[in-house]
Amino acid sequence: ETGVTQSPTHLIKTRGQQVTLRCSSQSGHNTVSWYQQALGQGPQFIFQYYREEENGRGNFPPRFSGLQFPNYSSELNVNALELDDSALYLCASRAGGLPNTGELFFGEGSRLTVL
Amino acid sequence: AQSVTQPDIHITVSEGASLELRCNYSYGATPYLFWYVQSPGQGLQLLLKYFSGDTLVQGIKGFEAEFKRSQSSFNLRKPSVHWSDAAEYFCAVGPSTLIQGAQKLVFGQGTRLTINP
Repeated sequence: ETGVTQSPTHLIKTRGQQVTLRCSSQSGHNTVSWYQQALGQGPQFIFQYYREEENGRGNFPPRFSGLQFPNYSSELNVNALELDDSALYLCASRAGGLPNTGELFFGEGSRLTVL
Repeated sequence: AQSVTQPDIHITVSEGASLELRCNYSYGATPYLFWYVQSPGQGLQLLLKYFSGDTLVQGIKGFEAEFKRSQSSFNLRKPSVHWSDAAEYFCAVGPSTLIQGAQKLVFGQGTRLTINP
């Protein structure tokens, strides 16, 4: 059973650019969520995808967008990068269906630096 | 509003000593509660979780946590720490829903644990 994998692990962008981060969910998991973890802070929920549709969003602007593919892998896209977007971006997956046990399995993250 | 408070930003204990990390939450309904650990440069690993039932839950690596509804607390404990326990620890709260929906976890700021030899 493979875990959650993310790519790239590190990347550097300049202000105003766009970035795409990728995530492969754990085998058998059809629900993916993304979190932003700024330095010295706890993770903050960006959004969740279930069966290729966004079904929950945190307090992030529309320039943060995502996709989920039929194989349940996912992308996080951020447009018009700002300095404050510098953070560790974590992808988490879980099995869908009921009951909702809520347990999330996290990848190791993609560290984005915006200069 | 949902929130999690971890009052201690940084704790230092000696190897072999006992440990307690504090967590207080504010939530409108009965929550699911979690403790995650994060080693430097790594993602989050689940230590333990509370959904219902026995308020003392056991986790991996010898950790346990006790849910106290009256105090809105979910403190993490370990009777004897090892040098490998040095890491960042996060308490989180989520909805105890049985419907399919956004499983948004709200995390605390984290407590950094340092172990003295």
